[in-house]
Amino acid sequence: DTGVSQDPRHKITKRGQNVTFRCDPISEHNRLYWYRQTLGQGPEFLTYFQNEAQLEKSRLLSDRFSAERPKGSFSTLEIQRTEQGDSAMYLCASSLVKGKGVFKAFFGQGTRLTVV
Amino acid sequence: AQKVTQAQTEISVVEKEDVTLDCVYETRDTTYYLFWYKQPPSGELVFLIRRNSFDEQNEISGRYSWNFQKSTSSFNFTITASQVVDSAVYFCALSGSGGSNYKLTFGKGTLLTVNP
Repeated sequence: DTGVSQDPRHKITKRGQNVTFRCDPISEHNRLYWYRQTLGQGPEFLTYFQNEAQLEKSRLLSDRFSAERPKGSFSTLEIQRTEQGDSAMYLCASSLVKGKGVFKAFFGQGTRLTVV
Repeated sequence: AQKVTQAQTEISVVEKEDVTLDCVYETRDTTYYLFWYKQPPSGELVFLIRRNSFDEQNEISGRYSWNFQKSTSSFNFTITASQVVDSAVYFCALSGSGGSNYKLTFGKGTLLTVNP
């Protein structure tokens, strides 16, 4: 169990540029989540995947955001035309969900995005 | 809609003191999960505990204990004999169960500082 890993850990970008983050979940986990955390706040749900299917997107996820999980393994989160308001920590989590069974989410260390 | 309230924004204690972090939740689900996560300065959310709504038994794990009271919709967390290494932001979180409900709603967190 190598845990959830995210890359990069830090990203500084100029306003208007595109950025892409990667998340590698725990290998046997079928669900992958993206959350966003701004300073002084708790993480907020953005979107989640069940295997390769993106099943829900929060209203926080504007048209400039897109997430993929090809083949149900790693996931990428892309932000186009970044704005200063996009500056935040982007957290990835994964879990194994079976029917109505036990649910426990494991988080990565996050990618801290700063838009200047 | 689900909501988690952590009324204490910051708590400061001296090492070896006991400290209780409060968490109050709102949900219409009959089956739900409650969590506590620790977020040290490194940023990773560390899972501490999960309780389901059918199990109101209090739990103790070393210096940590949790008091789940359905009647008051509270899930409080106590650290006994606090240590400097306990300094972190602590988040309480809530999840529904089944389908798309397996996502976390977080409180705003409580910053705990344990001074030597």
